[in-house]
Amino acid sequence: EPEVTQTPSHQVTQMGQEVILRCVPISNHLYFYWYRQILGQKVEFLVSFYNNEISEKSEIFDDQFSVERPDGSNFTLKIRSTKLEDSAMYFCASSDWTGGSPLHFGNGTRLTVT
Amino acid sequence: AQSVTQLDSQVPVFEEAPVELRCNYSSSVSVYLFWYVQYPNQGLQLLLKYLSGSTLVKGINGFEAEFNKSQTSFHLRKPSVHISDTAEYFCAYTGGFKTIFGAGTRLFVKA
Repeated sequence: EPEVTQTPSHQVTQMGQEVILRCVPISNHLYFYWYRQILGQKVEFLVSFYNNEISEKSEIFDDQFSVERPDGSNFTLKIRSTKLEDSAMYFCASSDWTGGSPLHFGNGTRLTVT
Repeated sequence: AQSVTQLDSQVPVFEEAPVELRCNYSSSVSVYLFWYVQYPNQGLQLLLKYLSGSTLVKGINGFEAEFNKSQTSFHLRKPSVHISDTAEYFCAYTGGFKTIFGAGTRLFVKA
């Protein structure tokens, strides 16, 4: 069964550095998402992406965040000037349509900001 | 505001016992409702979904849920749990271009 893959599985960075989290969504899916889960807390929506542009974003997704689909397969989340509070699991997901279509998640990237 | 509320943060249960994980949704949300499961160190996986039609939906691993419009609930049930069902369970709904998750319920199955 097709999977969403995320790399790296664990990223450690120093405060103030930039990080790029990478995802390869399922190939025939059209909608892409990033979610964040701070340890022990709920899964929070960051951003959705369709047709090469952001469809919706949350209040968390401020100017330090950006997303890109640089080619036909990758979907990236960039965090500029990381802060300690950015430490979390970041999950990429994709779906073949919006509304009632379920999300397919990757296994996440654990970001640790020191 | 649109939301789903999971009424229990943790549910301990003995193996082979039945379990119900509760979820209530606000009446303003769309009726696209989901249950996802998260095993340790993994992403979320779809258990089941309700889009329309029959209010009793069956999912993977023997789980089922019932959509109750009058009580605005979408509780998840399993008649007999296994140790391997120990995980975090999330109720969710879709609105616009996003899926919003409840706070989660940790199901802990004891031998």
